[in-house]
Amino acid sequence: DADVTQTPRNRITKTGKRIMLECSQTKGHDRMYWYRQDPGLGLRLIYYSFDVKDINKGEISDGYSVSRQAQAKFSLSLESAIPNQTALYFCATSDSAGTSVSYNEQFFGPGTRLTVL
Amino acid sequence: GNSVTQMEGPVTLSEEAFLTINCTYTATGYPSLFWYVQYPGEGLQLLLKATKADDKGSNKGFEATYRKETTSFHLEKGSVQVSDSAVYFCALSVGGAQKLVFGQGTRLTINP
Repeated sequence: DADVTQTPRNRITKTGKRIMLECSQTKGHDRMYWYRQDPGLGLRLIYYSFDVKDINKGEISDGYSVSRQAQAKFSLSLESAIPNQTALYFCATSDSAGTSVSYNEQFFGPGTRLTVL
Repeated sequence: GNSVTQMEGPVTLSEEAFLTINCTYTATGYPSLFWYVQYPGEGLQLLLKATKADDKGSNKGFEATYRKETTSFHLEKGSVQVSDSAVYFCALSVGGAQKLVFGQGTRLTINP
């Protein structure tokens, strides 16, 4: 079974709709991240959370919000979707208490492809 | 600020060719450096990493050396295979926040 899962895997929606993307992990990691991937731009950090009560904005947080419902769950919401939010969205996790080998390694989910018409 | 610049893609090679994908960075502080790989339809996977100058990361025949003097972390493989076709991302992180800064990615296609 996958350690980091994302739902849905694909979503097509219309401008102005509210959308929630969900991420769950079974790795027991305390840190979780949301990125978006656009062609030619790599991945950019939207939000990150170091634990349930610690949520921080990333590079491109405008138009997005997040909720850390539990250590294992981290949701990304688009309150009113717009076409330029069409992208591939990735959730990732990391372990702040990892060994020197694993520290700083992030583990990614399979991604959610979102299209806003 | 922190940033990563990768060589422009796409890159197309024949099987058994030598591969180099260039990566340079700018960072405030002393970064850790990473190469991630994204196979079609999948999320990113860590390919290799280096945490200090002159360290060499290696995995699956790929290598990259942390060069502080040239602020580079170029990815190399001596003989590529069709199964190496993927998008490769160079990335850095600075400090304990574990936030990754990615390059734009390089799409690699290997023809038989």
